[in-house]
Amino acid sequence: GNSVTQMEGPVTLSEEAFLTINCTYTATGYPSLFWYVQYPGEGLQLLLKATKADDKGSNKGFEATYRKETTSFHLEKGSVQVSDSAVYFCALRGGSNYKLTFGKGTLLTVNP
Amino acid sequence: EAGVAQSPRYKIIEKRQSVAFWCNPISGHATLYWYQQILGQGPKLLIQFQNNGVVDDSQLPKDRFSAERLKGVDSTLKIQPAKLEDSAVYLCASSSRRTGGGEETQYFGPGTRLLVL
Repeated sequence: GNSVTQMEGPVTLSEEAFLTINCTYTATGYPSLFWYVQYPGEGLQLLLKATKADDKGSNKGFEATYRKETTSFHLEKGSVQVSDSAVYFCALRGGSNYKLTFGKGTLLTVNP
Repeated sequence: EAGVAQSPRYKIIEKRQSVAFWCNPISGHATLYWYQQILGQGPKLLIQFQNNGVVDDSQLPKDRFSAERLKGVDSTLKIQPAKLEDSAVYLCASSSRRTGGGEETQYFGPGTRLLVL
């Protein structure tokens, strides 16, 4: 079946540091890949997505590239802010019923 | 446009009691999902509706969990009787197919945090 493995946290960075959160997946066919973010006390929000190999998703300074050869979708940001502190989830969607499969989430804390 | 609404936001019950959660999806969204998010884990799909029909309930513990979406809009998720391991956040999401089919985005509500004592 489909599965997502993402870097375990927590990750603690200083403001303006470079961020990488690793994500790899196992799936049949050609899944779509997503990063969701969950701010404290709020629901999940879609951060970015990519639907085919070599696509790059980007939003709010975050980027991730769909790498089929390495089955990866690592999240990066060049300069994090305190407001980026949240839990980040990597997810894939495959199959005919649009079911999302999530990783366990990575807690990011950015200190001023 | 209004987002996905859920209530209550928090619920504390004792084991063997019953509990119900309510979800109102984004207007016009035909697909509705219920997820269970246990602390430290990613959300797990419990059940997916397309209008008022069930598309996938393969991971719903049917001996104690039930869900309905009678008019194809609002949905309720019920647990009866609750167990300690049901303590989790229950997330509702909705989505709409784009014209001509293709990709859709799931929009999540704030969730209901359940604690079973």
